[in-house]
Amino acid sequence: QSALTQPASVSGSPGQSITISCTGASTYNLVSWYQQHPGEAPQLMIYEGNERPSGISNRFSASQSGNTASLTISGLQAEDEADYYCCSNGGGLNWVFGGGTKLTVL
Amino acid sequence: EVQLLQSGGVLVQPGESLRLSCAASGFTFTAFAMSWIRQAPGKGLEWVAAVDGEQTYYADSVRGRFTISRDKSKNTLNLQVSRLRSDDTAIYYCAKMDGKLIENWWFDFWGRGTLVTVSS
Repeated sequence: QSALTQPASVSGSPGQSITISCTGASTYNLVSWYQQHPGEAPQLMIYEGNERPSGISNRFSASQSGNTASLTISGLQAEDEADYYCCSNGGGLNWVFGGGTKLTVL
Repeated sequence: EVQLLQSGGVLVQPGESLRLSCAASGFTFTAFAMSWIRQAPGKGLEWVAAVDGEQTYYADSVRGRFTISRDKSKNTLNLQVSRLRSDDTAIYYCAKMDGKLIENWWFDFWGRGTLVTVSS
């Protein structure tokens, strides 16, 4: 199964935009993104590459091109500070998560 | 409202077996695939197993030791784990899956997790 690579950490100031990359996804499989605050369960933020579930702020957006997916958070807020994971089917009907990116809001 | 209620944390010795449970409500339990995902202390997420109808899928790291199943009469997802090792120590999350094509399924609702500690 293919591995998904994310940067270990990113940071930004309130109001700024940041982008988290996820490389290694198959061009045929769409990526989903999850947010996890310390001590909590992950929460779905993006599915099917760029769709947001009900209740998720439109400050969260995503794109996918080739084997790289990206999550962008605009208008950064303190509450966005969390770990973010990308996920994709790794082929052979198994699911692979990226290593996770810790977002720090300065 | 979708709810996934998981059993409490447990301490087991290496080599022992254990069954984890996840009680589902708020959706048609048999209409959706379900998964277990684990997270070792301070580490990232690792998909473990999934069940879709009668089909089951496993990560290479657990195939042969873990068995996923569901009790349709109780709307409960189970994970039977055997020959536990110290590196199985993790929070185990159950998650509901959704999507049109299985290759693009996602995990839309998660339980709060069960901490499994394997130690002598």
